Amino acid sequence: AQSVTQLGSHVSVSEGALVLLRCNYSSSVPPYLFWYVQYPNQGLQLLLKYTSAATLVKGINGFEAEFKKSETSFHLTKPSAHMSDAAEYFCAVLNQAGTALIFGKGTTLSVSS
Amino acid sequence: KAGVTQTPRYLIKTRGQQVTLSCSPISGHRSVSWYQQTPGQGLQFLFEYFSETQRNKGNFPGRFSGRQFSNSRSEMNVSTLELGDSALYLCASSSAGNSYEQYFGPGTRLTVT
Repeated sequence: AQSVTQLGSHVSVSEGALVLLRCNYSSSVPPYLFWYVQYPNQGLQLLLKYTSAATLVKGINGFEAEFKKSETSFHLTKPSAHMSDAAEYFCAVLNQAGTALIFGKGTTLSVSS
Repeated sequence: KAGVTQTPRYLIKTRGQQVTLSCSPISGHRSVSWYQQTPGQGLQFLFEYFSETQRNKGNFPGRFSGRQFSNSRSEMNVSTLELGDSALYLCASSSAGNSYEQYFGPGTRLTVT
């Protein structure tokens, strides 16, 4: 069965600092992996996805993630945080049937000036 | 293209009542999935429909049901509401037959008193 674990329920960074949000996955088959962002009182917005093409995936708003099979990781990074990046971030893996996303518990990102 | 729309955005119901939530997918998308989001359990998959057929169901009691219409619009129903059903209910649509890239609506916030 597939699962994802997000390390750190809360990450705080200063504006301009590197953002690193950690996600480890478990999957018996090559995974499809996703990062979503959720702003208060809104739905989820797709940041980026990994579907077994390039291991370094670039997404919207300057975010990127690297798929590392040996580490079963799919960490999300952004070189320079902006105040508008403050939100909750979810890592997800597609289930084996391809019909449902399995989400991590989420990481709240705070950005201070 | 218009995004996923969900109605109503907010609902307050009393224990024991039933509720119906509606979701209109992005035009051309044939797959609709529903998720429940709560602070304690996070994001959990409810069910997924494709071409009016339920293809997958999460681990929820039978009080939770859904359907999809020929125009791909979907509804979910919760009968005999319990306090624990208070949550944000999110709908997502996908154009692919395997739902691997899902686009979310803003959600319906259900409060059960």
